[in-house]
Amino acid sequence: DAMVIQNPRYQVTQFGKPVTLSCSQTLNHNVMYWYQQKSSQAPKLLFHYYDKDFNNEADTPDNFQSRRPNTSFCFLDIRSPGLGDAAMYLCATSRGAGGALTDTQYFGPGTRLTVL
Amino acid sequence: DQQVKQNSPSLSVQEGRISILNCDYTNSMFDYFLWYKKYPAEGPTFLISISSIKDKNEDGRFTVFLNKSAKHLSLHIVPSQPGDSAVYFCAASDTGANSKLTFGKGITLSVRP
Repeated sequence: DAMVIQNPRYQVTQFGKPVTLSCSQTLNHNVMYWYQQKSSQAPKLLFHYYDKDFNNEADTPDNFQSRRPNTSFCFLDIRSPGLGDAAMYLCATSRGAGGALTDTQYFGPGTRLTVL
Repeated sequence: DQQVKQNSPSLSVQEGRISILNCDYTNSMFDYFLWYKKYPAEGPTFLISISSIKDKNEDGRFTVFLNKSAKHLSLHIVPSQPGDSAVYFCAASDTGANSKLTFGKGITLSVRP
């Protein structure tokens, strides 16, 4: 089945140790998103790619970077994780037809990051 | 500054009854609204949406109502089933070229058998 896949599902890292989260999609969608969701809070958009164009949210810390080497894959790099970065990280995709970002977003299961 | 508010963190209803989940927004530029459903250990799944040109959209047991003047929308599930127990997120956007979804915190719905 076409889907959005995130690996790993659970990631434990140490304070300050770089970590990379992975997302892949078989939907051939133009847009890929990364969200951060902390407990009992709304998913917060960190950034998105429209094809190869990277769009960073104004309040996303520099500690968070992203790469999209091809249509199918997108990575979230946290350069120096702090305790406050412990969260669920959700990847999503959308078709992005005509440049609109409001078409349906399809989410992966998320990666739960623990920072020790 | 929460632009999409789901003020009730949880709701419990009896199987077969109606579930009403509420959502308020503050940004008058929002003109497209969605509901997502999330089971534990899974990502959110799109449920139903409504454009601001409508005040109601129905899909099977799920109906979304939009009151633009009150900046309020609600999701009705009838009849509620135990399998509907999940977290429900309200999301909103404007349809500008660089629009994005803004999510609420979610409501945990429990449907009692």
